[in-house]
Parts: sequence; structure tokens; C-alpha cells
Amino acid sequence: GAVVSQHPSWVICKSGTSVKIECRSLDFQATTMFWYRQFPKQSLMLMATSNEGSKATYEQGVEKDKFLINHASLTLSTLTVTSAHPEDSSFYICSASFRGHEQYFGPGTRLTVT
Amino acid sequence: GENVEQHPSTLSVQEGDSAVIKCTYSDSASNYFPWYKQELGKRPQLIIDIRSNVGEKKDQRIAVTLNKTAKHFSLHITETQPEDSAVYFCAASIASGNQFYFGTGTSLTVIP
Repeated sequence: GAVVSQHPSWVICKSGTSVKIECRSLDFQATTMFWYRQFPKQSLMLMATSNEGSKATYEQGVEKDKFLINHASLTLSTLTVTSAHPEDSSFYICSASFRGHEQYFGPGTRLTVT
Repeated sequence: GENVEQHPSTLSVQEGDSAVIKCTYSDSASNYFPWYKQELGKRPQLIIDIRSNVGEKKDQRIAVTLNKTAKHFSLHITETQPEDSAVYFCAASIASGNQFYFGTGTSLTVIP
């Protein structure tokens, strides 16, 4: 159990366009979902925490107008990178948890902005 | 906020030897400390975790120790095998808030 999926697994987009990444908990209801960003050979950096039905809480230094997060249901959260630029190229990973229990990670999405 | 430091950043050991990775945290309110293993291009996988009411936990070749007073916790892998080669991350969390703050990672290489 506790499977989290992400879609797409990789995406290439042109500078200035927007990209949406989906994170789904497949076999449990996630009260909280998290979005991380990971650069090559670096750690996971928490970007934001989202609870179903409420606005996401962004970490310091993360632009909420650039990285739009929606957690419309207990099984789906989306991250939209708006007006993407090459410096937004990264590995984005979501995770989901249920009422303070273990976090289950998605497989990640590799974003390349050209 | 929480600050988690992890050492060493890289570690090479001979197969069969032990590996130890250490982390420190800053927020005394943190009470949940998981360790994750991440292979290249894949998702982090939980390998062991410990809560603040416990000083040590063991699962076969893997063990974690926690010193709440000193605010540090360590991962111990015994009888290392080549398949243990990966990047390991520690994390700290205040369980009620759910947010994880990760260490900087340790790239472990087990030499056959």
C-alpha cells in the first residue's frame, strides 16, 4: 500500500510556458502533500506544504505566484510552474502523508526548460 | 526553522565493513527522524525511522541512534553490501506539523 504517483515523469518545455505536475495518492487519502525540489547531487528542498482544501504554505524564498499549488482533493495535488525559465529546470518530487504518519514519495518529475 | 546538518557528504567503505552517517538538528521540538535511501533518478525510500521517545532502533543490518540532549542522530549500516551504495538522507520533523527538513545527503559507495 501507500503508493504515490506523479505525472508526467519528465517534461521539456520552452521558456515562458507553464507546466503542470500532478501528484496522486493511489491507495490512501492524503491529508497533507508536500512538494520538493532537488538539484543534481543535492538534497531535497521543501518548497511548500499543502493541506486538502486550504492554501499551500510556502517555504521562505519560494515564490508562490510562480509555483502554484492546488490540493483540491484528498488524492490529488498539482504544482504549476508558471512562466518557466531555464533556472527552473530541476527534479520535482511530491510526497503524501496521512495524519502525521510517514511520508510516501512520488517517483519525481524531471523538468527541463529550454 | 529547523536546520539539519549531515556528515560526511561522501563515504566509501569496503564490502563487509560498517558505515556511519551522522546528523544534527537545531529545533528541540523535532521528534521524528526518518532516514531515506535514494538511488539515482529514483524516489527516496524510507529505510528506518526513530521517534524521540526511543534512543535506538535496529532493523537487521541497519540501526539508528538518537541523542536528544545533543540533538544528533546517526545511521549505522553493518556488513555493507554493494547494493547499499546510494545517497542517504536524514530528516527531522515535528510530527504534528508533518514538515520534513532534510540533511544534505551522504553518497555511500561500497567497494566490492
